[in-house]
Order: sequence, then structure tokens, then C-alpha cells
Amino acid sequence: EADIYQTPRYLVIGTGKKITLECSQTMGHDKMYWYQQDPGMELHLIHYSYGVNSTEKGDLSSESTVSRIRTEHFPLTLESARPSHTSQYLCASSGRTGKPYEQYFGPGTRLTVT
Amino acid sequence: AQTVTQSQPEMSVQEAETVTLSCTYDTSENNYYLFWYKQPPSRQMILVIRQEAYKQQNATENRFSVNFQKAAKSFSLKISDSQLGDTAMYFCAFMKPHSSNTGKLIFGQGTTLQVKP
Repeated sequence: EADIYQTPRYLVIGTGKKITLECSQTMGHDKMYWYQQDPGMELHLIHYSYGVNSTEKGDLSSESTVSRIRTEHFPLTLESARPSHTSQYLCASSGRTGKPYEQYFGPGTRLTVT
Repeated sequence: AQTVTQSQPEMSVQEAETVTLSCTYDTSENNYYLFWYKQPPSRQMILVIRQEAYKQQNATENRFSVNFQKAAKSFSLKISDSQLGDTAMYFCAFMKPHSSNTGKLIFGQGTTLQVKP
């Protein structure tokens, strides 16, 4: 199992609430990613980071924001949750350890906004 | 823009038999990387196998092998001696060469594979 963790695993929250999805990895990877995945569908990259203080938007537009203050931590924040944000959010990392180009995925956070 | 297409939303196979999952992609790049990822029900996604486009030899990992046809832009996954633990959603993914520093992946729609006892 990869050492990448996401909390919470499941979250049901009302519209308008601010939420932060946590992602941490203990592999010292410099690159980290956030993907959005609707049930039974493909993954879409919404944010990525090359390293500390580096963040970029992905291919799918998202109202979420991310930060990378520490190498091991890459939280995703929604300032005001809406039902359209209901989805699964997967965090991943890659780096010099492990197999080249392999992304290690966390277990995901399944978010439901009511 | 690169695209990845998996035309089989669902497949099933009897335990111990062989199954092939299809993937096609579109790119104007000559060098790139292709991957198959496995997402078991309620479990973390893991890398199954990787292929570098500049390598003619098809990649193999134990019971998993690929048929890489560069000219046809086809990248199928063959699972031999299927096991119940192979039940999962399988994603084909593409990485552009200049994305190697960022590791950005483009995923297909996925194929749900059910292995039956």
C-alpha cells in the first residue's frame, strides 16, 4: 500500500459550507495532484504541484483552491460548497522514490453536498 | 489535444480465463508513456503496467501484458489466468513527454471488469 492518506473518507455537508479535504504523503514526493472523479467515470486533473509553494490548475476547471506549504501536505479547499461539487476527490503523488512516472493514489474522499 | 478512449464500459470473464481490455489514444507526439491503472471497489488506485512509446517490446508484469500498436495508436491490456481479485475498474492513461516533469496524466473513461467464479 502507498503511504498517501486522505481525510475524511466520506463527507456530507450542506450548501454554502467551507470545507477542506486533507491529503498527506510520507514518501517525500515532490509532485502532488488532485483529481475529481464522478462515480464510474474517468479522472480529471483539477490541481497539481511541483513542490513547496508551487501550484497549478489542471485540465478541468474547478472552484476549489489548493496550497503547498509543506512537501508532505496538499490540502484542497472549497470556500462555499454547492451540490455541483458532489464527487469523489482523489489525491496522488509522484517523485524520485518509487517507480519512475508512477503516481501513488490515496483512498479518496467522497463528498456529498446537500 | 490528446485523448484516450476505452470503448468497453463493462466486461466480464470467468476465473482462470484470459481477457483483453481495449484502449486507443490520439496524439501527434512521437514519444510518450502509456499506463494501465486498476481501481478495485472501495480501494486505492494502483499502477498495473507502463509502456514507453519508444520501446517496441510489449511490457509484461506477471499475468498482465500489453499489446502496444504505435501506428494504430492502440494499447490493449491482457489479463491471463484471471483471479477474483482482478475485479476492478481499469483505466488507460497517457502522459506526454514534456509532461514527464509534471507527471500529468490523461485518463480514459474506464472499463469495469468483473471476474466470475
